[in-house]
Amino acid sequence: AQSVTQPDIHITVSEGASLELRCNYSYGATPYLFWYVQSPGQGLQLLLKYFSGDTLVQGIKGFEAEFKRSQSSFNLRKPSVHWSDAAEYFCAVGEKAAGNKLTFGGGTRVLVKP
Amino acid sequence: GAVVSQHPSRVICKSGTSVKIECRSLDFQATTMFWYRQFPKQSLMLMATSNEGSKATYEQGVEKDKFLINHASLTLSTLTVTSAHPEDSSFYICSARGWGDQPQHFGDGTRLSIL
Repeated sequence: AQSVTQPDIHITVSEGASLELRCNYSYGATPYLFWYVQSPGQGLQLLLKYFSGDTLVQGIKGFEAEFKRSQSSFNLRKPSVHWSDAAEYFCAVGEKAAGNKLTFGGGTRVLVKP
Repeated sequence: GAVVSQHPSRVICKSGTSVKIECRSLDFQATTMFWYRQFPKQSLMLMATSNEGSKATYEQGVEKDKFLINHASLTLSTLTVTSAHPEDSSFYICSARGWGDQPQHFGDGTRLSIL
């Protein structure tokens, strides 16, 4: 069965600084990988996805993620964080054979200091 | 594009009441819809997967008779929490995906509080 690990529960970063969120997955085949962001009391918004091809994926809001098969990782990065980036971030792996059923990581809460 | 509307956003009701939550895909046809439950400060737990016109597939440990799911059209799925009790209080989120390898798009969730 697939699994997703987000090692960092909380990350605090200063506004304007760079941000990297870690995600490691376990999956038997080539994974479908996603990053979602959730603001308090809201649903999830898709930041980016990886299905195949170029391993560096560009997303919305200035985010990017890199798929590294050798490390089973799909880390999310942003060069310069804005206060509005404070939220909960979820990495997920999709199971194609099951209608792209998602397995989520535990999430990383990002706090942005002024 | 890819907007999913979930209604209501918040429900407060007495124990024993049945509550229906709607999930609609507004600008695409949703071949598959998913229902999740999220406890405070935790990740999303998949409850069930529904395909239009067929019975929902429930995850292990989710009571089918407690959480009734209907996916009658390509744009609407409903989750009914039957005879709700305080332990059913939670944040419920739906998602929908279209044809092929489309990603899931999420609704804004429903905060259910059972008194």
